[in-house]
Amino acid sequence: DAGITQSPRHKVTETGTPVTLRCHQTENHRYMYWYRQDPGHGLRLIHYSYGVKDTDKGEVSDGYSVSRSKTEDFLLTLESATSSQTSVYFCASLKGARDGELFFGEGSRLTVL
Amino acid sequence: GENVEQHPSTLSVQEGDSAVIKCTYSDSASNYFPWYKQELGKRPQLIIDIRSNVGEKKDQRIAVTLNKTAKHFSLHITETQPEDSAVYFCAASPTGGGADGLTFGKGTHLIIQP
Repeated sequence: DAGITQSPRHKVTETGTPVTLRCHQTENHRYMYWYRQDPGHGLRLIHYSYGVKDTDKGEVSDGYSVSRSKTEDFLLTLESATSSQTSVYFCASLKGARDGELFFGEGSRLTVL
Repeated sequence: GENVEQHPSTLSVQEGDSAVIKCTYSDSASNYFPWYKQELGKRPQLIIDIRSNVGEKKDQRIAVTLNKTAKHFSLHITETQPEDSAVYFCAASPTGGGADGLTFGKGTHLIIQP
């Protein structure tokens, strides 16, 4: 596996609190992604980044923001967590535009009470 | 945007038999179609992919076929083994390697019966 790690791996929080998930990769991959995985929905793209400070929205971006200040780090922030954001979040990276293979992190399980 | 439908949601086969999972996509501009395998509690991992200029691709016991006219592609696993038990996701992308993000199907839970 590419060196891609997520933190925290598990988090329980309350509705209305801010939450930040961190993704760190050591492969110098240009592209990074945040997906959420829910039963019956597969993997859905939240936001992605195509370079430092360059980000764009995915299909389920409402309620989420991202930042990428360094190549190796991609942060996902829930400004005010809601129960509908309870999910498993996966970060992924891609070396280059035509390289194809996404390398996923281990996942972060977030529970919003 | 792209929409990917995947069937069946659950597939149970006897060990040694073949398994076929099918996906359809909506965006005729899509040209990259990967398949990911996710074991219980693990991260998804790429097992095979195909680009639109190819109709079929094989890698040992797994193969993928693509029909661009009908906008569907399929994963074929032959001589299934217990370690093939997992959730399989198909995906599609209109950019060459999925740089703008992949649209995934909802997954197929493959169960290999001993």
